[in-house]
Amino acid sequence: AQSVTQPDIHITVSEGASLELRCNYSYGATPYLFWYVQSPGQGLQLLLKYFSGDTLVQGIKGFEAEFKRSQSSFNLRKPSVHWSDAAEYFCAVVNKLVFGAGTILRVKS
Amino acid sequence: NAGVTQTPKFQVLKTGQSMTLQCAQDMNHEYMSWYRQDPGMGLRLIHYSVGAGITDQGEVPNGYNVSRSTTEDFPLRLLSAAPSQTSVYFCASSYSSSNTEAFFGQGTRLTVV
Repeated sequence: AQSVTQPDIHITVSEGASLELRCNYSYGATPYLFWYVQSPGQGLQLLLKYFSGDTLVQGIKGFEAEFKRSQSSFNLRKPSVHWSDAAEYFCAVVNKLVFGAGTILRVKS
Repeated sequence: NAGVTQTPKFQVLKTGQSMTLQCAQDMNHEYMSWYRQDPGMGLRLIHYSVGAGITDQGEVPNGYNVSRSTTEDFPLRLLSAAPSQTSVYFCASSYSSSNTEAFFGQGTRLTVV
């Protein structure tokens, strides 16, 4: 069965610092992977997705993620965090879009 | 485009009451699904549908029913609400169940007292 693990429940970074959110997946075939962001009281917005090809994918809002098959990982990165990036981030794998438990990002000024 | 529309946005129920959460999409998507979101547990799949007339259970289906009579609509029914069903519910749709982006509604915050 497919599953997603996000090891960090909360992460706090300073504004302007770099960010990496971890995601590990379990899936029997080539995975399709997504990162979604949820601002407080809002629905989910797609940040980026990996289907195949280049293992480094670019998304919206300056985010990128790297697919590493050998580590079963799809970590999300951003070189310089802005206060508006404070939100909850979810990694997900398909088929049927299975989500991780989420990572809450706090940004301190 | 409206995308995925969920109603209501907020609801308070008494234990034992029934209600239906509505979900409609205007993108002609075949795949629709319902999730519940609880703190620290991410989004868990309740039920899904791969097309009109076809539904199946997800990870946490107990206490919920669904039907899919049209491509556009995918209502979620709580037959006898319980406090454990207090949660935020999201409906999602996508072209297929696999390698396509899912679009989410704004959510329904349900409290069962």
